[in-house]
Amino acid sequence: AQTVTQSQPEMSVQEAETVTLSCTYDTSENNYYLFWYKQPPSRQMILVIRQEAYKQQNATENRFSVNFQKAAKSFSLKISDSQLGDTAMYFCAFIKNTGGFKTIFGAGTRLFVKA
Amino acid sequence: EAGVAQSPRYKIIEKRQSVAFWCNPISGHATLYWYQQILGQGPKLLIQFQNNGVVDDSQLPKDRFSAERLKGVDSTLKIQPAKLEDSAVYLCASSRGGGGSLLDTQYFGPGTRLTVL
Repeated sequence: AQTVTQSQPEMSVQEAETVTLSCTYDTSENNYYLFWYKQPPSRQMILVIRQEAYKQQNATENRFSVNFQKAAKSFSLKISDSQLGDTAMYFCAFIKNTGGFKTIFGAGTRLFVKA
Repeated sequence: EAGVAQSPRYKIIEKRQSVAFWCNPISGHATLYWYQQILGQGPKLLIQFQNNGVVDDSQLPKDRFSAERLKGVDSTLKIQPAKLEDSAVYLCASSRGGGGSLLDTQYFGPGTRLTVL
């Protein structure tokens, strides 16, 4: 069975600085997708960034980038130039790409961006 | 395009009562998901529909939870009878397909916060 672990329950960062959120996962699959979702306070969950396991190049979306280490089963999220609007819960998630596309979420990391 | 709609937004009931949640997915999305998010935890998939067929309900407590998606569009999730541990946010999401590709991006509704007293 697949598992997703986020070891940092809570983090804080100063506005304009960079922060990295950690995620590790466990799977025997070779073909899968990894995601970071953002859930702002009292607002809907949205997708931040996704990574296909077969791609070696790390995904980037504006200020958000990932460090995908397939052998280590690690998938960290880096937020550059942090903004107050980045304050949210961040969830790491996994979907295997073979039959039964069940999404597995980690427990989340609460990020506070301080002014 | 309109997002995923859910109602009610909040519900407070006493244990052993029944409750139902409604979800209207984004138009054209074949896949619909119901997640349970207990405070301090990540969402847990309860059931996943592809059109009006069930793809995965392995984590749905079938003795008390039921869900249906009539005509492959709207969906309802019911709890009968509710227990204290059912207190959570129930999230509905939809996607074009059920995989992990860009086209299968899941879009989430605002959720229904259930409190069982």
